[in-house]
Amino acid sequence: NAGVMQNPRHLVRRRGQEARLRCSPMKGHSHVYWYRQLPEEGLKFMVYLQKENIIDESGMPKERFSAEFPKEGPSILRIQQVVRGDSAAYFCASSLGNGQLNTEAFFGQGTRLTVV
Amino acid sequence: GNSVTQMEGPVTLSEEAFLTINCTYTATGYPSLFWYVQYPGEGLQLLLKATKADDKGSNKGFEATYRKETTSFHLEKGSVQVSDSAVYFCALNQAGTALIFGKGTTLSVSS
Repeated sequence: NAGVMQNPRHLVRRRGQEARLRCSPMKGHSHVYWYRQLPEEGLKFMVYLQKENIIDESGMPKERFSAEFPKEGPSILRIQQVVRGDSAAYFCASSLGNGQLNTEAFFGQGTRLTVV
Repeated sequence: GNSVTQMEGPVTLSEEAFLTINCTYTATGYPSLFWYVQYPGEGLQLLLKATKADDKGSNKGFEATYRKETTSFHLEKGSVQVSDSAVYFCALNQAGTALIFGKGTTLSVSS
């Protein structure tokens, strides 16, 4: 049973380009979370999605960032017109659900975005 | 809102020393509490968890007890190894919300 798969592992973009980060959750998981990690700042929550629904996007910048989790295929985090400040590690996590069981999340290995 | 506060690092220890990393939380209701570990260049791995007051989570010699009265979930290990060097994150969640993390504590163990 493969874990959470993120690709690419490393992504280099020039300022102004678009970055697309992909996340395939663990088999059977219907909840996906995206986090951004900057040095010395820990993990910052960005967005929480279920299939075809955004549940909570309170941590996502209002401009240039968007996320989706379609019925088929991976979850995508899209950053348009990237700037140097977007350089960070982006982690995806998935879980079975988020109801009464408070199930733990399993993380991918991250995508390290570098904007040059 | 909910939040997690953990001790600042780095924590530097010699092999076989005792480890404590403090974690306190603020939450409404009764969250579940977690410790995750991140090795260099990797994602986060669940280390242990506790879902209700007085529960003790344990794994690989690490332990943490859910203390509702002090809103704490301190991580302990009796004898650390060099291979324990990593960043440790305390986290909480409640039904319907994503995991909220502390800022992480870097542990460095030397032989």
